[in-house]
Parts: sequence; structure tokens; C-alpha cells
Amino acid sequence: GENVEQHPSTLSVQEGDSAVIKCTYSDSASNYFPWYKQELGKGPQLIIDIRSNVGEKKDQRIAVTLNKTAKHFSLHITETQPEDSAVYFCAARTGGGADGLTFGKGTHLIIQP
Amino acid sequence: DTAVSQTPKYLVTQMGNDKSIKCEQNLGHDTMYWYKQDSKKFLKIMFSYNNKELIINETVPNRFSPKSPDKAHLNLHINSLELGDSAVYFCASSQGWDRGFFEKLFFGSGTQLSVL
Repeated sequence: GENVEQHPSTLSVQEGDSAVIKCTYSDSASNYFPWYKQELGKGPQLIIDIRSNVGEKKDQRIAVTLNKTAKHFSLHITETQPEDSAVYFCAARTGGGADGLTFGKGTHLIIQP
Repeated sequence: DTAVSQTPKYLVTQMGNDKSIKCEQNLGHDTMYWYKQDSKKFLKIMFSYNNKELIINETVPNRFSPKSPDKAHLNLHINSLELGDSAVYFCASSQGWDRGFFEKLFFGSGTQLSVL
């Protein structure tokens, strides 16, 4: 089955700086890569996603890049703000149907004031 | 209006007891899921249902039994609770693969289960 590795497990950045979280996946058939943000006491919430036929996608301060050859994808957050502090999960999905998602182990992003 | 709601939010119980967690979604989605998040925040799928039909059943002990009375509800019943069952359980839903949007999962706020 699919295996998703995520790094780093904890990331601390100064407010206003950029943050980058990286993930690798094992199954070359995976075709969908979402990123979820989980705030304390809440469920994960989708923030951005990318399909395998696209190399990059941007939504305001958030961007995701995908390198299918290397089987890795990254989340980029620019001009970080205190409300960006949360746990971020990458995920990958292989095939069709209600397969669900395979998640990475999460990155705790801390924005230092 | 809560899109995916699950109850209870907290569940504290003794080993050996049987408990249920309920989940409802008002998004009109066809597919629903149960995920388990352990103490290290790792999220792992347990079950998925599409239109009341079981699609995914991961290697979960058969003490866990999902029930979907209709496509808006997916409940999780756990028999003979063990210490290792302590975790946060998340219900989620997605639109359904025949419309191409099933990948976008909407999660509930979770049920913190503590087995003593």
C-alpha cells in the first residue's frame, strides 16, 4: 500500500517568514495530494490540494508543488501569521473509489511572534 | 450549521465496556469514513462507506463495527473496549467518486475516547 513520509515533525519560524513542509510518497500510481490543517481540538481541514497532472498550485499565501519523478510534494506558506500555527498533514490517494487517504505523520508548525 | 457532526465529543469509559459514537453529515455526500488519530497525531483510516455500502475495512479488530442506517449517518460501535483503543476518532465525508470530488474530505471535530 501507499506510504507517506512527512518532514519535519516540528517547524518553528518567525512571524513573517516562510515555512516549507515536505512529503514523499511510495506509490507511483498516487494521483491526488491534499494538505490538511488541524487546529487544537478540531478536525483536519483541507487547505489546498493538487492532482498529479499539475506541478504547482497557489492560493494566496499557500502553495503546493509536486515532483512526480521524485515522488515528493511540498507545502509552502509565505508571510506566516500567528493563526498559521497548527498541525499540518500531507496525504496521498491511489486509484479510484472511496479509498480514503493515506496521511503523513504531521508537522507541528509554530509561528514565533 | 455544522457540516459533519459527531457525538459525543468526549467519552470516558472502563475497559470491557461497549460504546458507540454517532456521526451525521448534512452535506449530501455519498461517502463517509472513520479515521483514528493516536496520541502521536497519526491519522489512519478505519472504514469507509459509500451509499451505505462498506467499501474499506482496514485491519481493524472486529470489536469495531460501523453501521450506516442511511448515507447521511455512519455510527461506530466498539465492543469490549481496551486500553489501546484510547484515541481521537474522526468521522469524515466526501462527495462521492462518481462526481469526481470524492477526494475532498470534510472532517468532524472528533471524539476523544479514553479507556481507563
